[in-house]
Amino acid sequence: KNQVEQSPQSLIILEGKNCTLQCNYTVSPFSNLRWYKQDTGRGPVSLTIMTFSENTKSNGRYTATLDADTKQSSLHITASQLSDSASYICVVSSFTGNQFYFGTGTSLTVIP
Amino acid sequence: NAGVTQTPKFRVLKTGQSMTLLCAQDMNHEYMYWYRQDPGMGLRLIHYSVGEGTTAKGEVPDGYNVSRLKKQNFLLGLESAAPSQTSVYFCASEFSSPPYEQYFGPGTRLTVT
Repeated sequence: KNQVEQSPQSLIILEGKNCTLQCNYTVSPFSNLRWYKQDTGRGPVSLTIMTFSENTKSNGRYTATLDADTKQSSLHITASQLSDSASYICVVSSFTGNQFYFGTGTSLTVIP
Repeated sequence: NAGVTQTPKFRVLKTGQSMTLLCAQDMNHEYMYWYRQDPGMGLRLIHYSVGEGTTAKGEVPDGYNVSRLKKQNFLLGLESAAPSQTSVYFCASEFSSPPYEQYFGPGTRLTVT
């Protein structure tokens, strides 16, 4: 069964600290993996998109990694800011018919 | 350039009523999608369209219909609303070629009583 699992479910960190969010998937055949940031009450916003051949991609303070062999991805946030408080969603897409598999997200709270 | 817009932002319906949610994009994207987001669950794909005049079912299509008469618009219809359709609905669009980045609308919060 194609699934995407994220951990932890929620995380609280101090402003200025780093953190890493995890995403494990069983989707096959694999097309690409995306990380989104979703602020409360808003639509998701794309952070990174990685294909099979990419194992690292950065977007400012966000760095995503992908290990296609173990089917794992991580999102590392450096020097967190209060505005990083949001839900971070991992999405894996399959070549089979525009299928997208969404994780349930990690809720990140950054406190001063 | 407004990106992806959704109308309305909020709506309350009674069981059995019908309504249409409108999604519009001004980025000339070929693909458009309708999702629903429920607490504790990931977004789930309802229907999608790969071009004007074409639509296809997603993961949870029952109780919904869609139409893509114009490239920039994607409509989601509920013919007879049920309480199980209480949710937040998101529309998204993307180009048909890499980098396959999806742009989401702000969402429509629908409550069915």
